[in-house]
Amino acid sequence: KNEVEQSPQNLTAQEGEFITINCSYSVGISALHWLQQHPGGGIVSLFMLSSGKKKHGRLIATINIQEKHSSLHITASHPRDSAVYICAVRAGQFYFGTGTSLTVIP
Amino acid sequence: DGGITQSPKYLFRKEGQNVTLSCEQNLNHDAMYWYRQDPGQGLRLIYYSQIVNDFQKGDIAEGYSVSREKKESFPLTVTSAQKNPTAFYLCASSIAPPGEREPLSYNEQFFGPGTRLTVL
Repeated sequence: KNEVEQSPQNLTAQEGEFITINCSYSVGISALHWLQQHPGGGIVSLFMLSSGKKKHGRLIATINIQEKHSSLHITASHPRDSAVYICAVRAGQFYFGTGTSLTVIP
Repeated sequence: DGGITQSPKYLFRKEGQNVTLSCEQNLNHDAMYWYRQDPGQGLRLIYYSQIVNDFQKGDIAEGYSVSREKKESFPLTVTSAQKNPTAFYLCASSIAPPGEREPLSYNEQFFGPGTRLTVL
């Protein structure tokens, strides 16, 4: 069983829609990392948070340590947001989810 | 510009050959990591290094070896002992290794573009 579970695995949205990607984990953690992987394979760090909420442009990440759950929201989605979004938790080392593949259609 | 570079982008290997994947960073980060990514699976840690001349095995170290002779460089060798080496390999670095460190940014990982290894 994976320490980190993401849902949905695949997501297709129309441009402009509000998108939510969920991450649940089963281990005690001290921080959570949201990453974005583009089709070429490169990975970019989006957020690292240990409580509450962080916002960067159209991206918002929230975490509830007690419920062991985090969400990544994208407002006013755009085709350039199409990528795989990966959740990773810090529990000693990092443990990674399998990712959510997002496609935003114009 | 600071960042992490990996080379080559694509690598083909015959069975029984050792190959070395390059990873270089100019971010002045102490910690460096090698991950393997397979379809349908999360990234898995192969090796990590917290400081020069020191490294530790990750979850799937068998069939791999590393060195950390310089702060900037953390090459990964895929040996013939690795039974299923075809995969996408990612190198990463952070200011400090994962742990109870504040600020959180010290543990934030920065990734290279990856090397796709195919065994023929």
